[in-house]
Amino acid sequence: DGGITQSPKYLFRKEGQNVTLSCEQNLNHDAMYWYRQDPGQGLRLIYYSQIVNDFQKGDIAEGYSVSREKKESFPLTVTSAQKNPTAFYLCASSPINRGRTEAFFGQGTRLTVV
Amino acid sequence: RKEVEQDPGPFNVPEGATVAFNCTYSNSASQSFFWYRQDCRKEPKLLMSVYSSGNEDGRFTAQLNRASQYISLLIRDSKLSDSATYLCVADSGTYKYIFGTGTRLKVLA
Repeated sequence: DGGITQSPKYLFRKEGQNVTLSCEQNLNHDAMYWYRQDPGQGLRLIYYSQIVNDFQKGDIAEGYSVSREKKESFPLTVTSAQKNPTAFYLCASSPINRGRTEAFFGQGTRLTVV
Repeated sequence: RKEVEQDPGPFNVPEGATVAFNCTYSNSASQSFFWYRQDCRKEPKLLMSVYSSGNEDGRFTAQLNRASQYISLLIRDSKLSDSATYLCVADSGTYKYIFGTGTRLKVLA
């Protein structure tokens, strides 16, 4: 089945540690996105990529880094510079067409700093 | 001003009621609009794309008013299973999706 897979589903991090969240898609989508969601809040864009080896900062990129070495993969690293990393992280992908289409989401990773 | 604004609710309605959600967007370059449904602690899932002519899918109707930069979602004959948060989404004109903060709906038995 085609889809987006995020792993792990739950992640616990000690303060001062970097952690990497995985996102893989087999939908052959060009664009991929990382969003952060805090309780009772909407989704805020961290980073996005429209093509391999290229990505752009979103609204809240500080303390995060990404790479896009393969079309299928867009991992997100939460660095120790991110002061409040506890949140629900959502990865999404979409095709890039003349007619815009919707974004498809993975099941999310819930990150908790302990 | 937020790029996409929604009334956060919550909307508490009895089963069978009709409920309407409104959303405004500020970027006139936005071309595509969507409504997503998000259940508690789950990922958002597409409910409807919003077309300029308006579109209907069963009990759900979406409308777009470009002149007023306004999007709406109407749910008729509400079911208990409709309880969720509804997210309004506009594209930024550059393949970015801008999400509203969501409107919580609780359908009561």
